[in-house]
Amino acid sequence: DSGVTQTPKHLITATGQRVTLRCSPRSGDLSVYWYQQSLDQGLQFLIQYYNGEERAKGNILERFSAQQFPDLHSELNLSSLELGDSALYFCASRGDTGELFFGEGSRLTVL
Amino acid sequence: AQSVAQPEDQVNVAEGNPLTVKCTYSVSGNPYLFWYVQYPNRGLQFLLKYITGDNLVKGSYGFEAEFNKSQTSFHLKKPSALVSDSALYFCAVRDDTGGFKTIFGAGTRLFVKA
Repeated sequence: DSGVTQTPKHLITATGQRVTLRCSPRSGDLSVYWYQQSLDQGLQFLIQYYNGEERAKGNILERFSAQQFPDLHSELNLSSLELGDSALYFCASRGDTGELFFGEGSRLTVL
Repeated sequence: AQSVAQPEDQVNVAEGNPLTVKCTYSVSGNPYLFWYVQYPNRGLQFLLKYITGDNLVKGSYGFEAEFNKSQTSFHLKKPSALVSDSALYFCAVRDDTGGFKTIFGAGTRLFVKA
């Protein structure tokens, strides 16, 4: 158990809909990273937050947004969903020596 | 920008034999390199890291990695493979440009045959 909690574990929705994925980092970790894992594109960095502030942005679509709340949990919002958004979405928090601790992921299926 | 490459999509090895999973890197400045493992339907787990110091880094589950600056490589090794080592392995590099993000390679699937 990494200490990073993600919900929901599985989500099935239709094209055009909006979903929210939630992540709680390890106790004491201030940073949250979001990654998308799909079969054809590997593990893609989406966005990073540190203590409530956005710190780095990767290949995140404009239809996607995220935020980190004062209690340090984070939410990733995916809107106007397309079939190609079907993927595993991982959240991670960063330890003191730089390694990432990953949650179990949220598997999104868009039909 | 920092990047890593994993030249092999898949590595097959017999149980008990040594294994190597290859990774090369491209960085400006000092490299911060990592290996992670992903078992089916699970999140990634940290195996080991290189920041500075000894070129041979020891990690979890008997894995080690050899940092080679002249060849810009960071290969993952294990002296004797187990069937339970079968998984997806990712090499990664920390990219500090514009925030502390970690960039992952495409992954190498390791199959260990009994």
